[in-house]
Amino acid sequence: DAGVIQSPRHEVTEMGQEVTLRCKPISGHNSLFWYRQTMMRGLELLIYFNNNVPIDDSGMPEDRFSAKMPNASFSTLKIQPSEPRDSAVYFCASSRLSNNEQFFGPGTRLTVL
Amino acid sequence: EDQVTQSPEALRLQEGESSSLNCSYTVSGLRGLFWYRQDPGKGPEFLFTLYSAGEEKEKERLKATLTKKESFLHITAPKPEDSATYLCAVQWAFNDYKLSFGAGTTVTVRA
Repeated sequence: DAGVIQSPRHEVTEMGQEVTLRCKPISGHNSLFWYRQTMMRGLELLIYFNNNVPIDDSGMPEDRFSAKMPNASFSTLKIQPSEPRDSAVYFCASSRLSNNEQFFGPGTRLTVL
Repeated sequence: EDQVTQSPEALRLQEGESSSLNCSYTVSGLRGLFWYRQDPGKGPEFLFTLYSAGEEKEKERLKATLTKKESFLHITAPKPEDSATYLCAVQWAFNDYKLSFGAGTTVTVRA
């Protein structure tokens, strides 16, 4: 079975540019999570979707960040405009039910210059 | 404030030298405790879930145990391929979708 798929794997952009990260969860999983990982703060939950509906976006750092889940097999995380402090590894994870174990994708390493 | 603390931050082992990692938590109403392994440049890989004090789970050279305030991940006779960062995460009963991660323990096993 395919795991969680993320693209791109690496993204280098300049400050002020729009960045879009993509995620395909595991088929049959109803919950999707976006995380950010940095050395300073570790793994932080940004937003959680259940059945394609955003349930908790309290971890989204500011209005420059937005996330969508138009259907059960696709989600995007957008940063506009990007800033150097957004540089991090962004992970998407999915789970069958909201309280089950979460399975993580390979991540997108974002560098904002 | 609920917290998850892992110790030590780093652990260097000789191949075959067994050891334990600790994950302590100050959580009101634990629903579950999760262990993940993360290799450099990859996403966390799920290992175990523990739900109640006294519970134990095993997978190859790894065994996870849970008490009311902490969990241990025991590595028995480790091999170099066990080198990774091990993360624990706590899930609260009242907010049961959210995982709060510790900072991790980086294990290096030398041949």
